[in-house]
Amino acid sequence: DIQMTQSPSSLSASVGDRVTITCRASQSISSYLNWYQQKPGKAPKLLIYAASSLQSGVPSRFSGSGSGTDFTLTISSLQPEDFATYYCQQSYSTPWWTFGPGTKVDIK
Amino acid sequence: EVQLVQSGAEVKKPGESLKISCKGSGYSFTSYWIGWVRQMPGKGLEWMGIIYPGDSDTRYSPSFQGQVTISADKSISTAYLQWSSLKASDTAMYYCARRIVGATSWFDPWGQGTLVTVSS
Repeated sequence: DIQMTQSPSSLSASVGDRVTITCRASQSISSYLNWYQQKPGKAPKLLIYAASSLQSGVPSRFSGSGSGTDFTLTISSLQPEDFATYYCQQSYSTPWWTFGPGTKVDIK
Repeated sequence: EVQLVQSGAEVKKPGESLKISCKGSGYSFTSYWIGWVRQMPGKGLEWMGIIYPGDSDTRYSPSFQGQVTISADKSISTAYLQWSSLKASDTAMYYCARRIVGATSWFDPWGQGTLVTVSS
């Protein structure tokens, strides 16, 4: 199994801050990495696919980078609606996809 | 608009059976895999399995193989997740999601979720 880790597990930030979340795979997954946002009581929502491609309709303040084993999700200027939990997910090992444990972003 | 609409919340007793549903609309239901994801209270996301409604090809995560059954009825664009004998540990939110295949693959959109509560 490919294991996914995320850091930090949680962070506190202010509106306007630049936020970076890291995801690491236990083996190389090329660019087979997606990012999802989940708000309390809601379903996950796709933000970034294939490591760096922005899903249609997602604000451009979100960006993704990385390949191989190390990946980053960046929010360039945190907005009130961005407080949520963020999950990475590998799609390399089909069909045994795995998620990271999540990073909770809350208000400082 | 592409949508997945799931059936409503369920409250069941241990040992009971259950089948929850996920209805797709706005796209060719038979042309995309549908996956199921479990989220236990206060926890993260876990892949359970996936089905291709076009031919009912189904794959399960080893963690869920034998514990649940995934099926689909393409005539009504609906995928299902079922249990034959529920346990208290099956209490969770369950999501379905459509798999998109490009150079890689990803899941979008997701259903709104079905909350399953198993309690005596």
